[in-house]
Amino acid sequence: GAVVSQHPSRVICKSGTSVKIECRSLDFQATTMFWYRQFPKQSLMLMATSNEGSKATYEQGVEKDKFLINHASLTLSTLTVTSAHPEDSSFYICSARDVGAAGNTIYFGEGSWLTVV
Amino acid sequence: DAKTTQPPSMDCAEGRAANLPCNHSTISGNEYVYWYRQIHSQGPQYIIHGLKNNETNEMASLIITEDRKSSTLILPHATLRDTAVYYCIVRGNAGGTSYGKLTFGQGTILTVHP
Repeated sequence: GAVVSQHPSRVICKSGTSVKIECRSLDFQATTMFWYRQFPKQSLMLMATSNEGSKATYEQGVEKDKFLINHASLTLSTLTVTSAHPEDSSFYICSARDVGAAGNTIYFGEGSWLTVV
Repeated sequence: DAKTTQPPSMDCAEGRAANLPCNHSTISGNEYVYWYRQIHSQGPQYIIHGLKNNETNEMASLIITEDRKSSTLILPHATLRDTAVYYCIVRGNAGGTSYGKLTFGQGTILTVHP
């Protein structure tokens, strides 16, 4: 089946630095990918929609200058958390739409744990 | 997308069938019912989806009522590894770049015990 891969799975960074998380669709092309954030014991919250070849669309309340999204190819989207702070520590998850699958199924990556110290 | 309602938690004995209900009374005609699950510290895993007819795959069965206002996910022989949060999501199948945005509720925490 379709696979979406994220890297790194875990990252620790110092406060004030930037960290990049990659999301790849391994066996299908994804013109659209989505980035979610999940805090402990809470549900997933959509942050932004990543569109190949164009600007990302951010959900209300998500700072576009802090969470930079780049979707340069049909199989790769990146999320860069700039000037990270401890409150940015969270589980970041991406998803991608497989338009070739029946019902346009959405597949999720394994998630990336970010800890800002 | 239509809103869904799920019980916050359920228990199931290992080897028995787990039946997880979902209410989606405001579902519209072109909206699908999707089920995902999230095992602790992992990304959500796609389980199954359906529109009108009942569906079955290697993981589970999906039973959708005739009026489509509710559905049940069935894990026929639950194992300890099925312990997870199960999300029922209703969404349309239209095109557009925003298609694929999923709205997650709180889901059902299924605990399978020995």
